[in-house]
Amino acid sequence: AQRVTQPEKLLSVFKGAPVELKCNYSYSGSPELFWYVQYSRQRLQLLLRHISRESIKGFTADLNKGETSFHLKKPFAQEEDSAMYYCALKGGNEKLTFGTGTRLTIIP
Amino acid sequence: GAGVSQSPSNKVTEKGKDVELRCDPISGHTALYWYRQSLGQGLEFLIYFQGNSAPDKSGLPSDRFSAERTGGSVSTLTIQRTQQEDSAVYLCASSFRTLHLGETQYFGPGTRLLVL
Repeated sequence: AQRVTQPEKLLSVFKGAPVELKCNYSYSGSPELFWYVQYSRQRLQLLLRHISRESIKGFTADLNKGETSFHLKKPFAQEEDSAMYYCALKGGNEKLTFGTGTRLTIIP
Repeated sequence: GAGVSQSPSNKVTEKGKDVELRCDPISGHTALYWYRQSLGQGLEFLIYFQGNSAPDKSGLPSDRFSAERTGGSVSTLTIQRTQQEDSAVYLCASSFRTLHLGETQYFGPGTRLLVL
């Protein structure tokens, strides 16, 4: 079975402060990990994936297989980062398994 | 270009009635997914299509739920004899696969279903 855990439902961070959104997963094989974001009144969209090792909008995420984590980080939060963030895992089948999401609020 | 579209955007129905939700995927995307997002829950996988066939129906919560896809394009999700616990946002996604980046799922805006 595959499972994704996002322990924080809500996270508030001051503008300019570092952000870390936690994601832990459970999967016996080699997963593909993703972060999706949903801004207010917009559709869910892909933010980044571990396979491409990219930085999008200043966010990065490193897959740590030892700790089974894929935490999302940004060194300096911006107001436009306020959104709902979902961590997702794709295992051997094609479906995505999502965490319950973290609502990030950036305090001006 | 056009993204994934879903209709209706909102649907209010009475308990016991049937509803049909529609998804138009991005042109050329061979894979199509249905997810459900209930209040306070994450996104829950329902069913996956590759072309017109559904290799994975494991997420359908009961036999009241069914889905089909025709012509490798449009998909409809049907809920028969709706119950109040069916109230949720139903999301559709379509995807393509590239050699280097694997698969990317693109989501529609969702249909918000309320069963009274």
